[in-house]
Amino acid sequence: DTGVSQDPRHKITKRGQNVTFRCDPISEHNRLYWYRQTLGQGPEFLTYFQNEAQLEKSRLLSDRFSAERPKGSFSTLEIQRTEQGDSAMYLCACPTSGGVDTQYFGPGTRLTVL
Amino acid sequence: DQQVKQNSPSLSVQEGRISILNCDYTNSMFDYFLWYKKYPAEGPTFLISISSIKDKNEDGRFTVFLNKSAKHLSLHIVPSQPGDSAVYFCAASGSGTYKYIFGTGTRLKVLA
Repeated sequence: DTGVSQDPRHKITKRGQNVTFRCDPISEHNRLYWYRQTLGQGPEFLTYFQNEAQLEKSRLLSDRFSAERPKGSFSTLEIQRTEQGDSAMYLCACPTSGGVDTQYFGPGTRLTVL
Repeated sequence: DQQVKQNSPSLSVQEGRISILNCDYTNSMFDYFLWYKKYPAEGPTFLISISSIKDKNEDGRFTVFLNKSAKHLSLHIVPSQPGDSAVYFCAASGSGTYKYIFGTGTRLKVLA
């Protein structure tokens, strides 16, 4: 158990619909990352939060993507007007408290856009 | 531009022998490296890390070696066990950025 949970685990949606994923660290982690992983690739960085502040954002994150961490605890990732190319595993990760020595990943949300 | 490369997509090793997984990087600003293991339908699991001030870090059956001049790191698993069969990712991070860059992974199969 990494202490990071994600909901839902699977999401199937039709193209053009909006979807929202949630990440919950069990204990207080002030740092939180979102990644996307497609088949045959490693996780690709999407965005990084320190507490509620979004400090870094990948160019992969188009205008249709938005992430929030309103109270510095859980985080949400929303994709608007989904496209088939958005189909991927979306992973949330939190470093060990006090540093970035390791990142503990949640189980991921697998998105399928039909 | 793939800054972290794992050039072997797959590797098969007999149980009890050594598994060596390789990773190359191009960005000389990277100063921290991690290895992860991933089973299907799960998130990656952290294995071991190394800072650029070291050239070796060991944890049980896992040892990571870093060759900064060659921009190369490797993960050694000794002895290999069937439960080690998974996809292994290396990741790198450097000063000035919070993000980690992952390689494309190597699928390890340990044969009983």
